[in-house]
Amino acid sequence: EAQVTQNPRYLITVTGKKLTVTCSQNMNHEYMSWYRQDPGLGLRQIYYSMNVEVTDKGDVPEGYKVSRKEKRNFPLILESPSPNQTSLYFCASSPGTFQPQHFGDGTRLSIL
Amino acid sequence: AQSVTQLDSHVSVSEGTPVLLRCNYSSSYSPSLFWYVQHPNKGLQLLLKYTSAATLVKGINGFEAEFKKSETSFHLTKPSAHMSDAAEYFCVVRGTGNNRKLIWGLGTSLAVNP
Repeated sequence: EAQVTQNPRYLITVTGKKLTVTCSQNMNHEYMSWYRQDPGLGLRQIYYSMNVEVTDKGDVPEGYKVSRKEKRNFPLILESPSPNQTSLYFCASSPGTFQPQHFGDGTRLSIL
Repeated sequence: AQSVTQLDSHVSVSEGTPVLLRCNYSSSYSPSLFWYVQHPNKGLQLLLKYTSAATLVKGINGFEAEFKKSETSFHLTKPSAHMSDAAEYFCVVRGTGNNRKLIWGLGTSLAVNP
């Protein structure tokens, strides 16, 4: 089954404790992206990647890092999480940059 | 600059009645437009897309949307709501020219009452 898998689905942690949210897709898609979803603000893009070793900032990249060492994986790294990063995060992938995206089920992060 | 506005943050309908979710866009050129649906605790799923072919676009689960250039609208409709349609719906426009990123509306929450 074609899917985008995020882990963990839920995480409660404390300020400053490094965390990684993994994202994996099994569709051989070139384009992958991370979004955060906040009430009243909709979806905002954090980072995206057009292919292996090619990443770029989205609209709200501050406080986040990503890497794309393999085509299928696109982890989101919070080196020093802060409470304002409490949000619902989505990973998405698509065959190309401008094609409709497939989304994971989301990761709800709470930073205390 | 491209933008998208969903005119209603919440819509409530009775099961079996029509659904109308409104979306207006702003774009200098012919845009590509999408509707996504988000069910509780799930990711977003593509309902339908418009990419300058037929102006009436049919999607999954009985939804359709009509692209009206003169009104800069791309409203989502369904003839008869089902309880399972209760979800959040997002209208999305893809920019053109040098800015082809996806621009997301803020969403419309659809409630379906028995």
